[in-house]
Amino acid sequence: AAGVIQSPRHLIKEKRETATLKCYPIPRHDTVYWYQQGPGQDPQFLISFYEKMQSDKGSIPDRFSAQQFSDYHSELNMSSLELGDSALYFCASSWRGEGSTEAFFGQGTRLTVV
Amino acid sequence: SQKIEQNSEALNIQEGKTATLTCNYTNYSPAYLQWYRQDPGRGPVFLLLIRENEKEKRKERLKVTFDTTLKQSLFHITASQPADSATYLCARKAAGNKLTFGGGTRVLVKP
Repeated sequence: AAGVIQSPRHLIKEKRETATLKCYPIPRHDTVYWYQQGPGQDPQFLISFYEKMQSDKGSIPDRFSAQQFSDYHSELNMSSLELGDSALYFCASSWRGEGSTEAFFGQGTRLTVV
Repeated sequence: SQKIEQNSEALNIQEGKTATLTCNYTNYSPAYLQWYRQDPGRGPVFLLLIRENEKEKRKERLKVTFDTTLKQSLFHITASQPADSATYLCARKAAGNKLTFGGGTRVLVKP
């Protein structure tokens, strides 16, 4: 079965550069979430989209933005990167249908800012 | 504020024994709680969901209970195996349908 696909898997950027992370949700899933996970921490919610509209926002820095496109894939854009942005970034998707509640996570993008 | 919390201390357990993990919630009554497994460097994987009107849910060697009086969910891994070593995350669905995690408990099963 198709899973959530994220690209790239690994990314190394210098401080003050820009990074773009991509997420392809499971087909027919209508909700996409972005999470950030630092070392030894659990995933922290950044932002979500429902049917291509932003539905919720968490602790996402103003330097970050995200959008969901007509084909349902999503991109997380991160500008003016800081050392503290180094983390694993996960995308997850789910379907809001009756009785469906779990989220399916991608393999993540490991971002290293040097 | 509404919170779910797990014991942050790692749980070391001998192979074959039962591992029991705790998830406590405060200041709200969740309709359900979810449990995920996360291996290092990989995304969380859904394991089980338990609703507030269910006392217990099972899936193979996994069992989850929900005690609304104690405001707690327990996650049990019976007949544990080294392959069960991972971090286990308790999660709730918050407003906007986002998942909020409880911190996670790392389990290490020793042969």
